[in-house]
Amino acid sequence: DVKVTQSSRYLVKRTGEKVFLECVQDMDHENMFWYRQDPGLGLRLIYFSYDVKMKEKGDIPEGYSVSREKKERFSLILESASTNQTSMYLCASSIPYRADEKLFFGSGTQLSVL
Amino acid sequence: AQKVTQAQTEISVVEKEDVTLDCVYETRDTTYYLFWYKQPPSGELVFLIRRNSFDEQNEISGRYSWNFQKSTSSFNFTITASQVVDSAVYFCALSEAKYGGATNKLIFGTGTLLAVQP
Repeated sequence: DVKVTQSSRYLVKRTGEKVFLECVQDMDHENMFWYRQDPGLGLRLIYFSYDVKMKEKGDIPEGYSVSREKKERFSLILESASTNQTSMYLCASSIPYRADEKLFFGSGTQLSVL
Repeated sequence: AQKVTQAQTEISVVEKEDVTLDCVYETRDTTYYLFWYKQPPSGELVFLIRRNSFDEQNEISGRYSWNFQKSTSSFNFTITASQVVDSAVYFCALSEAKYGGATNKLIFGTGTLLAVQP
Protein backbone atom coordinates (compact mmCIF):
# COMPACT_ATOMS: atom_id res chain seq x y z
CA ASP A 1 0.00 0.00 0.00
CA VAL A 2 1.09 3.56 -0.69
CA LYS A 3 2.04 5.44 2.42
CA VAL A 4 2.13 9.22 2.63
CA THR A 5 3.49 10.32 5.98
CA GLN A 6 3.26 13.79 7.42
CA SER A 7 5.72 14.44 10.20
CA SER A 8 3.35 16.03 12.70
CA ARG A 9 -0.35 15.57 13.41
CA TYR A 10 -0.61 18.78 15.45
CA LEU A 11 1.62 21.85 15.50
CA VAL A 12 1.35 25.08 17.47
CA LYS A 13 3.48 28.01 16.36
CA ARG A 14 3.78 31.71 17.08
CA THR A 15 3.11 34.52 14.64
CA GLY A 16 6.25 35.34 12.68
CA GLU A 17 7.90 31.94 13.16
CA LYS A 18 9.29 30.02 10.21
CA VAL A 19 7.39 26.74 9.94
CA PHE A 20 8.31 23.57 8.08
CA LEU A 21 5.74 20.90 7.27
CA GLU A 22 7.28 17.67 6.05
CA CYS A 23 5.79 14.98 3.86
CA VAL A 24 7.32 11.69 2.74
CA GLN A 25 5.89 9.09 0.36
CA ASP A 26 7.26 5.60 -0.06
CA MET A 27 6.04 4.60 -3.51
CA ASP A 28 8.32 6.54 -5.86
CA HIS A 29 5.53 8.84 -7.02
CA GLU A 30 6.54 11.66 -9.35
CA ASN A 31 3.82 14.08 -8.25
CA MET A 32 3.45 15.55 -4.79
CA PHE A 33 0.96 18.14 -3.57
CA TRP A 34 0.17 20.40 -0.66
CA TYR A 35 -3.45 21.34 0.08
CA ARG A 36 -5.01 23.25 2.92
CA GLN A 37 -8.45 22.37 4.22
CA ASP A 38 -10.71 24.95 5.86
CA PRO A 39 -14.33 24.58 6.97
CA GLY A 40 -16.72 25.67 4.27
CA LEU A 41 -13.93 25.99 1.70
CA GLY A 42 -13.00 22.39 1.04
CA LEU A 43 -9.46 21.61 -0.08
CA ARG A 44 -7.42 24.23 -1.91
CA LEU A 45 -4.17 23.54 -3.74
CA ILE A 46 -1.16 25.48 -2.48
CA TYR A 47 1.71 24.01 -4.53
CA PHE A 48 2.54 20.88 -6.41
CA SER A 49 5.71 19.30 -7.71
CA TYR A 50 6.03 16.94 -10.66
CA ASP A 51 9.72 16.16 -10.23
CA VAL A 52 12.70 16.83 -7.99
CA LYS A 53 13.39 20.58 -7.77
CA MET A 54 10.33 21.30 -9.94
CA LYS A 55 7.31 23.08 -8.55
CA GLU A 56 4.20 24.87 -9.70
CA LYS A 57 1.93 27.26 -7.88
CA GLY A 58 -1.55 26.14 -7.07
CA ASP A 59 -4.53 28.34 -6.34
CA ILE A 60 -3.34 29.90 -3.05
CA PRO A 61 0.50 30.04 -3.00
CA GLU A 62 0.82 33.40 -1.26
CA GLY A 63 2.70 33.17 2.01
CA TYR A 64 4.05 29.68 1.24
CA SER A 65 7.04 28.15 -0.45
CA VAL A 66 8.02 24.54 -1.08
CA SER A 67 11.11 22.43 -1.41
CA ARG A 68 11.64 19.10 -3.13
CA GLU A 69 15.28 18.02 -2.95
CA LYS A 70 14.53 14.30 -3.04
CA LYS A 71 11.79 12.49 -4.90
CA GLU A 72 10.17 11.07 -1.80
CA ARG A 73 10.08 14.26 0.26
CA PHE A 74 8.08 17.45 -0.24
CA SER A 75 8.25 20.26 2.31
CA LEU A 76 5.90 23.17 2.78
CA ILE A 77 7.44 26.29 4.28
CA LEU A 78 5.71 29.18 5.94
CA GLU A 79 8.39 31.89 5.95
CA SER A 80 6.62 34.00 8.57
CA ALA A 81 3.56 32.31 9.98
CA SER A 82 0.40 34.35 10.39
CA THR A 83 -2.85 33.60 12.17
CA ASN A 84 -4.73 33.25 8.87
CA GLN A 85 -2.53 30.26 8.09
CA THR A 86 -4.11 28.30 10.91
CA SER A 87 -5.53 25.35 9.04
CA MET A 88 -5.36 21.63 8.30
CA TYR A 89 -2.58 20.89 5.79
CA LEU A 90 -2.80 17.80 3.64
CA CYS A 91 -0.02 16.28 1.59
CA ALA A 92 -0.75 13.99 -1.34
CA SER A 93 1.10 12.12 -4.07
CA SER A 94 0.31 10.46 -7.38
CA ILE A 95 1.81 8.78 -10.42
CA PRO A 96 0.92 10.81 -13.52
CA TYR A 97 -0.63 9.62 -16.76
CA ARG A 98 -1.85 6.27 -15.57
CA ALA A 99 -5.36 5.08 -16.31
CA ASP A 100 -5.94 4.82 -12.57
CA GLU A 101 -4.16 8.05 -11.64
CA LYS A 102 -5.45 9.32 -8.31
CA LEU A 103 -4.25 11.16 -5.23
CA PHE A 104 -3.00 9.34 -2.14
CA PHE A 105 -3.26 11.49 0.98
CA GLY A 106 -1.46 11.73 4.29
CA SER A 107 -3.35 12.08 7.57
CA GLY A 108 -2.87 15.83 7.71
CA THR A 109 -1.18 18.35 10.00
CA GLN A 110 -3.41 20.63 12.03
CA LEU A 111 -1.42 23.86 12.37
CA SER A 112 -2.41 26.53 14.86
CA VAL A 113 -0.67 29.90 14.65
CA LEU A 114 -1.11 31.97 17.79
CA ALA B 1 -13.12 28.02 -14.98
CA GLN B 2 -13.69 24.72 -13.29
CA LYS B 3 -15.93 24.54 -10.26
CA VAL B 4 -17.48 21.87 -8.05
CA THR B 5 -20.62 22.46 -5.99
CA GLN B 6 -21.73 20.24 -3.15
CA ALA B 7 -24.85 22.02 -1.99
CA GLN B 8 -25.52 19.69 0.93
CA THR B 9 -23.37 20.81 3.84
CA GLU B 10 -24.62 18.19 6.29
CA ILE B 11 -26.89 15.17 6.02
CA SER B 12 -28.13 13.09 8.91
CA VAL B 13 -29.75 9.69 8.36
CA VAL B 14 -30.63 6.69 10.45
CA GLU B 15 -28.81 3.44 9.83
CA LYS B 16 -30.15 1.38 6.91
CA GLU B 17 -31.56 4.41 5.13
CA ASP B 18 -30.39 5.15 1.60
CA VAL B 19 -28.70 8.50 1.07
CA THR B 20 -27.60 10.43 -2.01
CA LEU B 21 -24.82 13.01 -1.99
CA ASP B 22 -25.07 15.53 -4.78
CA CYS B 23 -22.21 16.89 -6.86
CA VAL B 24 -22.59 19.42 -9.67
CA TYR B 25 -19.57 20.52 -11.67
CA GLU B 26 -18.68 23.20 -14.20
CA THR B 27 -16.06 22.94 -16.90
CA ARG B 28 -15.54 24.10 -20.45
CA ASP B 29 -13.25 21.21 -21.30
CA THR B 30 -14.55 18.20 -23.18
CA THR B 31 -12.10 15.90 -21.39
CA TYR B 32 -12.09 15.91 -17.62
CA TYR B 33 -11.97 13.62 -14.59
CA LEU B 34 -14.29 13.35 -11.62
CA PHE B 35 -13.47 11.87 -8.24
CA TRP B 36 -15.10 11.08 -4.92
CA TYR B 37 -13.09 10.92 -1.71
CA LYS B 38 -14.12 9.97 1.82
CA GLN B 39 -12.62 11.66 4.88
CA PRO B 40 -13.39 9.74 8.09
CA PRO B 41 -12.79 11.31 11.51
CA SER B 42 -9.18 10.08 11.39
CA GLY B 43 -8.54 12.76 8.75
CA GLU B 44 -6.96 10.84 5.87
CA LEU B 45 -8.83 11.18 2.59
CA VAL B 46 -9.60 7.84 1.01
CA PHE B 47 -10.15 7.43 -2.72
CA LEU B 48 -13.55 6.03 -3.69
CA ILE B 49 -13.92 6.40 -7.45
CA ARG B 50 -12.61 8.13 -10.54
CA ARG B 51 -14.72 8.67 -13.64
CA ASN B 52 -13.46 9.99 -17.01
CA SER B 53 -15.68 12.34 -19.00
CA PHE B 54 -15.79 10.01 -21.97
CA ASP B 55 -17.11 7.14 -19.86
CA GLU B 56 -20.68 7.75 -18.76
CA GLN B 57 -21.28 4.31 -17.38
CA ASN B 58 -22.70 4.30 -13.92
CA GLU B 59 -20.89 2.21 -11.36
CA ILE B 60 -21.86 0.11 -8.41
CA SER B 61 -19.48 -1.14 -5.76
CA GLY B 62 -21.21 -3.00 -2.99
CA ARG B 63 -23.48 -0.52 -1.20
CA TYR B 64 -22.02 2.40 -3.13
CA SER B 65 -23.20 3.60 -6.53
CA TRP B 66 -22.43 6.59 -8.67
CA ASN B 67 -24.64 8.29 -11.25
CA PHE B 68 -22.71 10.33 -13.84
CA GLN B 69 -24.88 12.53 -16.07
CA LYS B 70 -23.11 14.86 -18.47
CA SER B 71 -26.41 16.41 -19.55
CA THR B 72 -26.89 17.87 -16.08
CA SER B 73 -23.16 18.08 -15.15
CA SER B 74 -23.75 15.94 -12.11
CA PHE B 75 -21.89 13.07 -10.49
CA ASN B 76 -24.03 11.93 -7.59
CA PHE B 77 -23.09 9.32 -5.01
CA THR B 78 -25.61 6.99 -3.36
CA ILE B 79 -25.06 4.83 -0.31
CA THR B 80 -27.61 2.07 0.06
CA ALA B 81 -28.50 0.74 3.51
CA SER B 82 -26.18 3.20 5.25
CA GLN B 83 -24.09 2.13 8.23
CA VAL B 84 -22.51 4.04 11.10
CA VAL B 85 -19.09 3.44 9.53
CA ASP B 86 -20.20 5.53 6.56
CA SER B 87 -20.14 8.63 8.76
CA ALA B 88 -17.55 10.93 7.22
CA VAL B 89 -17.05 13.99 5.09
CA TYR B 90 -17.36 13.20 1.39
CA PHE B 91 -15.66 15.31 -1.25
CA CYS B 92 -16.35 15.49 -4.95
CA ALA B 93 -13.49 16.75 -7.15
CA LEU B 94 -12.84 17.69 -10.78
CA SER B 95 -9.75 18.10 -12.93
CA GLU B 96 -9.40 19.11 -16.56
CA ALA B 97 -7.20 17.23 -19.00
CA LYS B 98 -5.60 20.44 -20.28
CA TYR B 99 -3.48 20.58 -17.10
CA GLY B 100 -1.81 17.29 -17.89
CA GLY B 101 -2.51 14.32 -15.65
CA ALA B 102 -5.78 13.70 -13.88
CA THR B 103 -4.46 14.94 -10.54
CA ASN B 104 -2.47 18.04 -11.52
CA LYS B 105 -5.14 20.65 -10.80
CA LEU B 106 -7.78 18.83 -8.84
CA ILE B 107 -10.53 21.18 -7.65
CA PHE B 108 -12.52 19.99 -4.65
CA GLY B 109 -16.04 20.79 -3.57
CA THR B 110 -16.67 22.01 -0.04
CA GLY B 111 -17.68 18.55 1.14
CA THR B 112 -20.78 16.96 2.63
CA LEU B 113 -20.73 15.77 6.23
CA LEU B 114 -22.73 12.56 6.49
CA ALA B 115 -23.81 11.46 9.95
CA VAL B 116 -25.35 8.01 10.19
CA GLN B 117 -27.16 7.50 13.48
CA PRO B 118 -27.52 3.98 14.92
